[in-house]
Amino acid sequence: EIVLTQSPGTLSLSPGERATLSCRASQSVSSGYLAWYQQKSGQAPRLLISGASSRATGIPDRFSGSGSGTDFTLTINRLEPEDFAVYYCQQYGSSILFGQGTKLEIK
Amino acid sequence: QITLKESGPTLVKPTETLTLTCTFSGFSLSTSGVGVGWIRQPPGKALEWLALIYWDDDKRYSPSLKSRFTITKDTSKNQVVLTMTNMGPVDTATYYCAHRQDWTFFDYWGQGTLVTVSS
Repeated sequence: EIVLTQSPGTLSLSPGERATLSCRASQSVSSGYLAWYQQKSGQAPRLLISGASSRATGIPDRFSGSGSGTDFTLTINRLEPEDFAVYYCQQYGSSILFGQGTKLEIK
Repeated sequence: QITLKESGPTLVKPTETLTLTCTFSGFSLSTSGVGVGWIRQPPGKALEWLALIYWDDDKRYSPSLKSRFTITKDTSKNQVVLTMTNMGPVDTATYYCAHRQDWTFFDYWGQGTLVTVSS
C-alpha cells in the first residue's frame, strides 16, 4: 500500500514569502493522480490542485503544483494572510489516500 | 450548483452502530461516472478516506476499516448512507461526504458533522 509523506509538518513563514510543501509517495503515483487540498480551521477541505499541476476553478495563480512519480510539490508564491492553513496531498484513482498534512503558520 | 450536507447523531455510545446520511443536490447519482465518498478527520488529525459509492452501485472501502462499514445510496432521495458498526472512542471525528467524478479527486465537500463516541 502506498504511503504519502508530507514535509515539513509545520512551515512558519511571513506574508509575501514563498511556501514550498512536499508530498512524497512510497510508490509511483499512477498518471499523476495527485491532488492538493487546503483546509482552514473549522472548514471542509477545498480542492486546490488536481493531476499534480492543474489548478481547480477559482484558485489564484499564486498556487502551483508540480512533480511526478513519487515526488510532488505545492508552491504558494507571495503568501497572503488567507493562505495560512493546513494543506493535504491526496492520491486518487483506484485507491485513495491522504497525506498527514502540512500546517502553514504565520511567522 | 453542487452541495452536500451530512446529518446524523452527534453522540454515540461505545459498541453502538452509527448511521450517517449525506443529502446532496446539483447532481444525480444515476449519472455515469458520479460517486460520493465519506472521509473523516479526528480532532487535530489528518483526513482519512472511508468509503465510496458510484452511480452503478459499485462500492469501495478503505482496506483497514472495510469490515465495519456499509455504504448505500437512495438515488430517488439524493442520499448516501454510511453505517459503521461497533463504534469506539477512536472513531470520534468530523465526518465529511464529498462528490467525485470519474475516479478523480473530491471536488465538492459537505460542511462535515462532528460525531463523538462516549459513554
